[in-house]
Amino acid sequence: QKEVEQDPGPLSVPEGAIVSLNCTYSNSAFQYFMWYRQYSRKGPELLMYTYSSGNKEDGRFTAQVDKSSKYISLFIRDSQPSDSATYLCAPGDGQNFVFGPGTRLSVLP
Amino acid sequence: DVKVTQSSRYLVKRTGEKVFLECVQDMDHENMFWYRQDPGLGLRLIYFSYDVKMKEKGDIPEGYSVSREKKERFSLILESASTNQTSMYLCASSLRSEGWVEGYTFGSGTRLTVV
Repeated sequence: QKEVEQDPGPLSVPEGAIVSLNCTYSNSAFQYFMWYRQYSRKGPELLMYTYSSGNKEDGRFTAQVDKSSKYISLFIRDSQPSDSATYLCAPGDGQNFVFGPGTRLSVLP
Repeated sequence: DVKVTQSSRYLVKRTGEKVFLECVQDMDHENMFWYRQDPGLGLRLIYFSYDVKMKEKGDIPEGYSVSREKKERFSLILESASTNQTSMYLCASSLRSEGWVEGYTFGSGTRLTVV
């Protein structure tokens, strides 16, 4: 079993849709959960993070963690074509993070 | 904003050449990392460093070495480039902190092709 798994996609949705991106991990010691967004031919950039279980909202983005099932989600409301990118989850212990392979999202105008 | 600068965006090298990939960060971060990114495999950690002159092997160190002589600079060295090292190479840095987690800041990547 890989340490962090994501559905690679591609996931195509129409503009305005709600998008759900998911990630599972195996290491129960992970306490920090990052989401990175990577545009084509660019490096990943930190989108948001959560600590331990629970939800965190930032504008149109909501990150959710369920540590009991080792499941991480990122929801995007009112998706825009500018959200088209690859989304990587990265759980970790605070200093070291393990990256998932990423889910490629296309939001169609 | 923290900037992580990778010296080249695109490189083409021949099999057997020694290749140097340079990475510089400008925010006094202690931690620096080298990853390679391949389709379907995601980001794989090659080497990392928590301080000057320190280095630790990541998940796939074979065929690579690193150098960190100054805090702001972390170099990745391909001792004898091979075609299976054709990849996107990403450098990242982070602040070592006890509480607040800032995550990693990445460079824009170097796309290396070995022919």
